[in-house]
Amino acid sequence: EVQLLESGGDLVQPGGSLRLACAASGFTFNAYAMSWVRQAPGKGLEWVSAISGGGITYYGDSVKGRFTISRDTSKNTLYLVMDSLRVEDTAIYYCAKGWGYFEYWGQGTPVTVSS
Amino acid sequence: DIQMTQSPSSLSASVGDRVTITCRASRDISKSLAWYQQKPGKVPKLLIHTASTLQSGVPSRFSGSGSGTDFTLTVSSLQPEDVATYYCQNHNSFPWTFGQGTKVEIK
Repeated sequence: EVQLLESGGDLVQPGGSLRLACAASGFTFNAYAMSWVRQAPGKGLEWVSAISGGGITYYGDSVKGRFTISRDTSKNTLYLVMDSLRVEDTAIYYCAKGWGYFEYWGQGTPVTVSS
Repeated sequence: DIQMTQSPSSLSASVGDRVTITCRASRDISKSLAWYQQKPGKVPKLLIHTASTLQSGVPSRFSGSGSGTDFTLTVSSLQPEDVATYYCQNHNSFPWTFGQGTKVEIK
């Protein structure tokens, strides 16, 4: 059974940094692409970043240059390092499995950026 | 970036009604279109990918069609458990983009 468990969400001040983690199980982690998708309070879904099975990374325009996606295949864990955080980055952050479309989602971790 | 526009933004229909949601892409995305269902307070669930391929375990009353720029999600007979917000998503090219969502309620 595929399981994705996010952690690391917190309250942080504007300009601050945070690292999210997503522990994966139930599939061959290094063979599949993974993404981060976020949802601001009361708003729709926004794709944030992806890492391919081969380790190539991709970013949405709103986070390019501020966020970094990575993975540790020895720990079956996906990461998102978020720097220079802005109020508008406030959202629930989901990790999701799949290339292009997302078959499995974690429960999400909340990030609040506020002074 | 490819913009995805859904219509309507919300709808109210009776149990048993046929419901249709449309999604338009700002340029040709071939058949690279997915649909998700998000129930209140829950995680999004993949319903359909590649425009018309039903994800395993999804009830057959859900169907998708279209290609190019115009796509449709149809629920053939609306059930109470279908109350949710539905999102379309371009999975043709980066950045992958979502529609703004369509909220479906029971009349």
